[in-house]
Amino acid sequence: AQTVTQSQPEMSVQEAETVTLSCTYDTSESDYYLFWYKQPPSRQMILVIRQEAYKQQNATENRFSVNFQKAAKSFSLKISDSQLGDAAMYFCAFKREYGNKLVFGAGTILRVKS
Amino acid sequence: AAGVIQSPRHLIKEKRETATLKCYPIPRHDTVYWYQQGPGQDPQFLISFYEKMQSDKGSIPDRFSAQQFSDYHSELNMSSLELGDSALYFCASSFKISAGLVMNTEAFFGQGTRLTVV
Repeated sequence: AQTVTQSQPEMSVQEAETVTLSCTYDTSESDYYLFWYKQPPSRQMILVIRQEAYKQQNATENRFSVNFQKAAKSFSLKISDSQLGDAAMYFCAFKREYGNKLVFGAGTILRVKS
Repeated sequence: AAGVIQSPRHLIKEKRETATLKCYPIPRHDTVYWYQQGPGQDPQFLISFYEKMQSDKGSIPDRFSAQQFSDYHSELNMSSLELGDSALYFCASSFKISAGLVMNTEAFFGQGTRLTVV
């Protein structure tokens, strides 16, 4: 079974600064997908970024980028130029290549200070 | 762009009652997933359907059942409700197969149905 661990229950960042959220996972699979989802106070689950395990290049979406270390089973999210609207709960999630379900970590609350 | 639609958005039921949650996936998406998120918890996978057939099953209680209909919408039926069933229920949808190719795209979530059992 796969497990996803987010060791930071809460993080804070100053507006316009950079913050990195950590995620590690455990799997025996070689092909899989990793995701970061954002859940603001509205509770909507919003996809932030996606990484395919077979790709060595780290995914980037505007101010969001990941550091994917397959051997270390690590998948951190870097948010640059943090904005007040980035404040939310962030979930790291794993999906097997041909699997159906997402396995989520416990989440990290990100607070952005003005 | 069309998103995943869930109804109702809020539902209040008494213990031992039944509830039906509905989910309308993004057009052309062939896979639907249901997740349960308790207060302060991460979403837990309940069940998924691909092309109207159950494709995977997670921690779904026997009191719950679900199905996907010919128009791809899905319903989660919950009976003998308990206080502990109070949670946010998400539906998500994705492509699995498109034009004969395995796409297996990411899941897009609806806004959720907040169920409160009193």
